[in-house]
Amino acid sequence: LAKTTQPISMDSYEGQEVNITCSHNNIATNDYITWYQQFPSQGPRFIIQGYKTKVTNEVASLFIPADRKSSTLSLPRVSLSDTAVYYCLVGDIGAFDNAGKSTFGDGTTLTVKP
Amino acid sequence: DAGVIQSPRHEVTEMGQEVTLRCKPISGHNSLFWYRQTMMRGLELLIYFNNNVPIDDSGMPEDRFSAKMPNASFSTLKIQPSEPRDSAVYFCASSFGFGRGDQPQHFGDGTRLSIL
Repeated sequence: LAKTTQPISMDSYEGQEVNITCSHNNIATNDYITWYQQFPSQGPRFIIQGYKTKVTNEVASLFIPADRKSSTLSLPRVSLSDTAVYYCLVGDIGAFDNAGKSTFGDGTTLTVKP
Repeated sequence: DAGVIQSPRHEVTEMGQEVTLRCKPISGHNSLFWYRQTMMRGLELLIYFNNNVPIDDSGMPEDRFSAKMPNASFSTLKIQPSEPRDSAVYFCASSFGFGRGDQPQHFGDGTRLSIL
């Protein structure tokens, strides 16, 4: 599983666009990039997934440059309810590099303020 | 459309007792994953199954932990004997495919386990 690096935390205000960037320098050719959102007391929830270029769905956009060594999750016009932890995952979740490895990393805690 | 169902939602028990966590994956999904989440270690993948067969259990912390998937619609994670350091939130997730990363995982709401 490719190692990923995300900011630990971000603050924003309601109505703003939020961009969270994830670095994954060791991404492999067959790896996909997937973003999850987690609220307190809930399991992670799939947001968006991509392989290259740009992907957009009803809740977010995912921008992936040509070298695929990073990706940016874009949340348009955030609201208070978007306050959550956002995780970037790359590659084959079913493969382990090390026993007990934290496959989701620390994620980015987004706090949206009124 | 029912999601991943986990039970119980909360479990409080004394050290040394056997704990069994249950999971019903989404119908049609053929991969199932067990995770543990703590403040210290984040979200850890413990074991995953594909077509009811355990593929890799190297994330299981100790022999006290065991997991089974007797059929496509049910899995258990058992801890025997339980210890206070096992206290965590345990999540079950399911997906299509083989966890290649091209199929998103769908998580249950977790079981909050407290070992006294």
